[in-house]
Amino acid sequence: GDSVTQMEGPVTLSEEACLTINCTYTATGYPSLFWYVQYPGEGLQLLLKATKADDKGSNKGFEATYRKETTSFHLEKGSVQVSDSAVYFCALSSNDMRFGAGTRLTVKP
Amino acid sequence: SAVISQKPSRDICQRGTSLTIQCQVDSQVTMMFWYRQQPGQSLTLIATANQGSEATYESGFVIDKFPISRPNLTFSTLTVSNMSPEDSSIYLCSVAEFNTGELFFGEGSRLTVL
Repeated sequence: GDSVTQMEGPVTLSEEACLTINCTYTATGYPSLFWYVQYPGEGLQLLLKATKADDKGSNKGFEATYRKETTSFHLEKGSVQVSDSAVYFCALSSNDMRFGAGTRLTVKP
Repeated sequence: SAVISQKPSRDICQRGTSLTIQCQVDSQVTMMFWYRQQPGQSLTLIATANQGSEATYESGFVIDKFPISRPNLTFSTLTVSNMSPEDSSIYLCSVAEFNTGELFFGEGSRLTVL
């Protein structure tokens, strides 16, 4: 069945460092791909999405490109801030929504 | 986008009791989804709730333990029955955007079972 595999954390970075969280997927069709973020004590929020191959989703300085050839949707940010500390979930939507295991990011001043 | 309200936002419950979580959406939706997020874990789909029919449960979840109601197109409830400490989790209600499948979530109900 469809599934998502993402880099497990925790990931600890200093402020202004570069971030990459890897995400690969397995799907039989053409899913939409998402990154969700969960800040401490809060529910899940959509961070960005891409609905077809080569689409790039972006939001709050984060980017991810839907790569069909490598079945990947890696999350990147060039300069992280303390306020980016959260858990990040990669997800795909085909018949239903499948979530990765989540990656906890801590950014230190 | 959809605005989803859940209550209670958190509760502490005694072993063996049951708790019903309510989910209200600000628009009419066909399908509503209930997820569980155990401490430090990802989200696991419990069931899909369609208005006017029985909920569809995922493997490992049964109606006797997690009965679901869906009386209309904007409301659903999930009951966690005969709770044990292993049921301590965040329970999330969500709805999907039709074209992209994007999910919108409520803020979750954090249950602690003593």
